[in-house]
Amino acid sequence: GAVVSQHPSRVICKSGTSVKIECRSLDFQATTMFWYRQFPKQSLMLMATSNEGSKATYEQGVEKDKFLINHASLTLSTLTVTSAHPEDSSFYICSAPPGTLNEKLFFGSGTQLSVL
Amino acid sequence: EDQVTQSPEALRLQEGESSSLNCSYTVSGLRGLFWYRQDPGKGPEFLFTLYSAGEEKEKERLKATLTKKESFLHITAPKPEDSATYLCAVQGTSGTYKYIFGTGTRLKVLA
Repeated sequence: GAVVSQHPSRVICKSGTSVKIECRSLDFQATTMFWYRQFPKQSLMLMATSNEGSKATYEQGVEKDKFLINHASLTLSTLTVTSAHPEDSSFYICSAPPGTLNEKLFFGSGTQLSVL
Repeated sequence: EDQVTQSPEALRLQEGESSSLNCSYTVSGLRGLFWYRQDPGKGPEFLFTLYSAGEEKEKERLKATLTKKESFLHITAPKPEDSATYLCAVQGTSGTYKYIFGTGTRLKVLA
């Protein structure tokens, strides 16, 4: 079945550093990918919609200069958390539709970011 | 504004004790309603998509149903391995393809 691979699964970094998270669709092409953030025992909050070959669409309140998204190919989207601070610590999850956008989403395994 | 409310927040069941999880939604027009299972520290795993009122889908011990205002996830004779958080999401017809998620129901099935 369709698989979305996300790396790394866990990262610990110092405050002020940048962290890159990769999201790959392994056996299908994804012109659109979604990036979510999840706090403990809370729901998934959409951060941005990543579009292959064009700029990402960010949700209200999400700083686009803080969370850089690059969708360089039909199988790869990256999220870079720039100058990370402790408040950026969270669980980040990417997803992609294997077919039409209203069919379903497949999710990556998530990245737990801890900023010290 | 599209909204999803799930209840209960948490549920403890004995093995074999059937129950239902609720997902109430408000959306301008429903494009799809989705159920996912999420284990701790993992990404959500797709279970079902429902598109119109009256639709039902089944998979092993799970059955999802849909009305114009809510969806139920029925769990029949659950096993400990069914313990997880179950998430509901809706996609409206507002012009974007955003999935709006509820906060989930944390299910614990005791042996």
